[in-house]
Amino acid sequence: KQEVTQIPAALSVPEGENLVLNCSFTDSAIYNLQWFRQDPGKGLTSLLLIQSSQREQTSGRLNASLDKSSGRSTLYIAASQPGDSATYLCAVKSQNRDDKIIFGKGTRLHILP
Amino acid sequence: GAVVSQHPSRVICKSGTSVKIECRSLDFQATTMFWYRQFPKQSLMLMATSNEGSKATYEQGVEKDKFLINHASLTLSTLTVTSAHPEDSSFYICSARSRGLNNSPLHFGNGTRLTVT
Repeated sequence: KQEVTQIPAALSVPEGENLVLNCSFTDSAIYNLQWFRQDPGKGLTSLLLIQSSQREQTSGRLNASLDKSSGRSTLYIAASQPGDSATYLCAVKSQNRDDKIIFGKGTRLHILP
Repeated sequence: GAVVSQHPSRVICKSGTSVKIECRSLDFQATTMFWYRQFPKQSLMLMATSNEGSKATYEQGVEKDKFLINHASLTLSTLTVTSAHPEDSSFYICSARSRGLNNSPLHFGNGTRLTVT
C-alpha cells in the first residue's frame, strides 16, 4: 500500500530565502508525482508534474526533483515571497490499475515579510 | 489550461437534508472524476472514483448510499450528500483528468465547504 509522507509539516522562513520541501513515498512503482499548492479554504492548484521517467521539472522559481529508486521528491522554491505562503501537497500515482492518487498531508509554508 | 468548476463553493444545510455538489470540466472531456474529502489541516482523502456512464467506485469506509455520485456526461459529475449530519461537515473537492490522457495532471475544483447544522 502506497504511503506518502511530507516533512516538515510546517515551515516558516524569512522572505527572500530559498527553501526545500520534502516528499517521500513507500512504493517506487509510480506513474508520476505531482506537486500542488492549496490556499486556505481553496482547492488545489497544480504546480509541477514529474513523470516516472523524468528527474526534474522547473517552472519559474519552482523546481521539483524525483528520485524514484529512493522514493523521494523535493520541491525547491527560490527567492521566497510572502505570496508563496500556502500548503504544499505532493501526490503520487502508482503503477497499478486503480488509477488512484495518494496525497501526503502537506507542508504549511509561511513566508515572513 | 484545463479548468474544473465546482459549485457551490459554500453551503449550509440543516441536519437531515440532502445537498448536491456539482463538478464540471469546462474545456476538456473527463471520463474519470475523483471526489475527495478534506478535514481541517489534514490531507485529501479519496472518497470515490466517478466513471462516465458507469457506477462509481467507492473507497473502503465510504457509504455509497449516503454519498451518491452521478457521472452522467463527460463534463459533469455530481456528489449528493444524503440525510446530512453535522459529522458530514467538511471540505469536498473534485478533480478530473483529461479523457485518454492517463498520465496527464489532475485538475481540481475550488472545493465546497459544507456545514451541517
